[in-house]
Amino acid sequence: GAGVSQTPSNKVTEKGKYVELRCDPISGHTALYWYRQSLGQGPEFLIYFQGTGAADDSGLPNDRFFAVRPEGSVSTLKIQRTERGDSAVYLCASSQTSGRADEQFFGPGTRLTVL
Amino acid sequence: AQKVTQAQTEISVVEKEDVTLDCVYETRDTTYYLFWYKQPPSGELVFLIRRNSFDEQNEISGRYSWNFQKSTSSFNFTITASQVVDSAVYFCALKGGSYIPTFGRGTSLIVHP
Repeated sequence: GAGVSQTPSNKVTEKGKYVELRCDPISGHTALYWYRQSLGQGPEFLIYFQGTGAADDSGLPNDRFFAVRPEGSVSTLKIQRTERGDSAVYLCASSQTSGRADEQFFGPGTRLTVL
Repeated sequence: AQKVTQAQTEISVVEKEDVTLDCVYETRDTTYYLFWYKQPPSGELVFLIRRNSFDEQNEISGRYSWNFQKSTSSFNFTITASQVVDSAVYFCALKGGSYIPTFGRGTSLIVHP
């Protein structure tokens, strides 16, 4: 079956602009995670959803970042007033549930560049 | 708080050498899971293995083996007879009571022909 997909694969924007990054998880996976990965670093947790609700958003760096998952499937990460420091690869992952044992299936990521 | 340390930033070997990637973790949880993921040059992380905190049995899968030692809080990964296709960044991750995964910084493995 299809894996996790993310669009766009690359996004270049100017400082101060608004961007939306989309994630399509594996069908039937109830848990969805967003991460940010900077060069030479591991994925850094941002937020995760169990179903439609944000179960934990403690990793969001500030209130410019927001994510939704209105129907419990596709999720959108929204970044307002982008800054150069937001440049990174944004990864999405889904898992069958949010249980500790569940492995995650990752998408290819969206590379965000803020000029 | 939980923490995963992968002290080796980059390892370079020649094909057919054995190589061990180290992972040391910290957690206050008594129940937790440890994972290894592979990130090839194409960029997509791929799950390799999961181990729970109550199962210290070592595991072997083909050329891959994992050594979990609770006494030293380590979950090391060994590739036997490395191949060029093993070149990738490998991440160790921990998932405890908070259900939020914590990843290490990764070890970049370069296997030369």
